[in-house]
Amino acid sequence: SQTIHQWPATLVQPVGSPLSLECTVEGTSNPNLYWYRQAAGRGLQLLFYSVGIGQISSEVPQNLSASRPQDRQFILSSKKLLLSDSGFYLCAWSAPHRRGGSGNTIYFGEGSWLTVV
Amino acid sequence: TQLLEQSPQFLSIQEGENLTVYCNSSSVFSSLQWYRQEPGEGPVLLVTVVTGGEVKKLKRLTFQFGDARKDSSLHITAAQPGDTGLYLCAGGTSGTYKYIFGTGTRLKVLA
Repeated sequence: SQTIHQWPATLVQPVGSPLSLECTVEGTSNPNLYWYRQAAGRGLQLLFYSVGIGQISSEVPQNLSASRPQDRQFILSSKKLLLSDSGFYLCAWSAPHRRGGSGNTIYFGEGSWLTVV
Repeated sequence: TQLLEQSPQFLSIQEGENLTVYCNSSSVFSSLQWYRQEPGEGPVLLVTVVTGGEVKKLKRLTFQFGDARKDSSLHITAAQPGDTGLYLCAGGTSGTYKYIFGTGTRLKVLA
């Protein structure tokens, strides 16, 4: 069966410090991978998605970046965090080679709480 | 920019009452999903609808996709405290791999 893990679960970082959130998927090959951010109790904002190694699509211009160095690894980074970067970050995956029209299920990781102080 | 607006934003009802949550957009989606999220966890899929006018039932939950595939609704019959959570709709577009999530509806069912 497929599993998804992301870490760290909780992170408190000072303004201006770097960030690295990691996500790995097991049990599938060439998944579509996603990073979402969620403000407290609200909907999810799509930040990045990737359909293959080294292929990153950015949805929101900001000081965050994403990388996919391996097929099942997705990393969210920042060189200098802002207070507005605080939130709940969710990594997710969906089945490969299927576009949105066919209604893929999106499977989410446990989430990472980031507080920028 | 594709947006999915959900209403109401918050809903607090008594056990046994019925409720409907709406998900609306000016954009057409090829598929529409509903998720439920518990605090501190990732969302979990409830249902996917892909055909305009489609209705799906999951026990006490009824999901409908609008004829024009721009909107959807979730109806819960005889709500129970276990239904409490954040409900999210998500739209997929043919030709892309991305899914846009709605603004969310926080439901609290009181015993």
